[in-house]
Amino acid sequence: DSGVTQTPKHLITATGQRVTLRCSPRSGDLSVYWYQQSLDQGLQFLIQYYNGEERAKGNILERFSAQQFPDLHSELNLSSLELGDSALYFCASSAGVSTAEDTQYFGPGTRLTVL
Amino acid sequence: AQSVAQPEDQVNVAEGNPLTVKCTYSVSGNPYLFWYVQYPNRGLQFLLKYITGDNLVKGSYGFEAEFNKSQTSFHLKKPSALVSDSALYFCAVRGPTSGTYKYIFGTGTRLKVLA
Repeated sequence: DSGVTQTPKHLITATGQRVTLRCSPRSGDLSVYWYQQSLDQGLQFLIQYYNGEERAKGNILERFSAQQFPDLHSELNLSSLELGDSALYFCASSAGVSTAEDTQYFGPGTRLTVL
Repeated sequence: AQSVAQPEDQVNVAEGNPLTVKCTYSVSGNPYLFWYVQYPNRGLQFLLKYITGDNLVKGSYGFEAEFNKSQTSFHLKKPSALVSDSALYFCAVRGPTSGTYKYIFGTGTRLKVLA
């Protein structure tokens, strides 16, 4: 158990809908990262937050947004869902942001199915 | 640009035999290299990382990895494979690029250990 929690485990929804995925980082970790894992794209970095502020952006669509709250939990919002958004969404956390050797610890993921 | 390659989609090895999962990287400056393992329906688990120092890094579950700067490789190894090692293995790289500390993941290598 990495100490990173994600809810829900599974989510089934329809095209055009909006969903929110939630992540709680390990105790003491200030950075949260979101990743998307799909069969055709592999594991793709979406976005990183550090202590409430956005730090880095990856391949995140404009329909997707995220935020990190004062208690350090994070939410990933996915809107106008398309079939191609079906994937595993992982959250990871790390202690800080200032060093590249910072190890990321991953949550169990949320499996999103868009019908 | 940073990149990492895992040239083998799948590696098969007999139980008790040594295993190697290959990873090569491309990064300007000194690399920070990581190995993760993903079991079915689970998140990624951290195995080991190379930051600096000894080229042979020891990690969890008896795994180790050898950093080779001249060959830009970071192969994962284990002296004696177990059936329970069967999983998906990801190599990741982070370069000392200021402002972005995201991981770049390889495409993954599926390890099958045969009894």
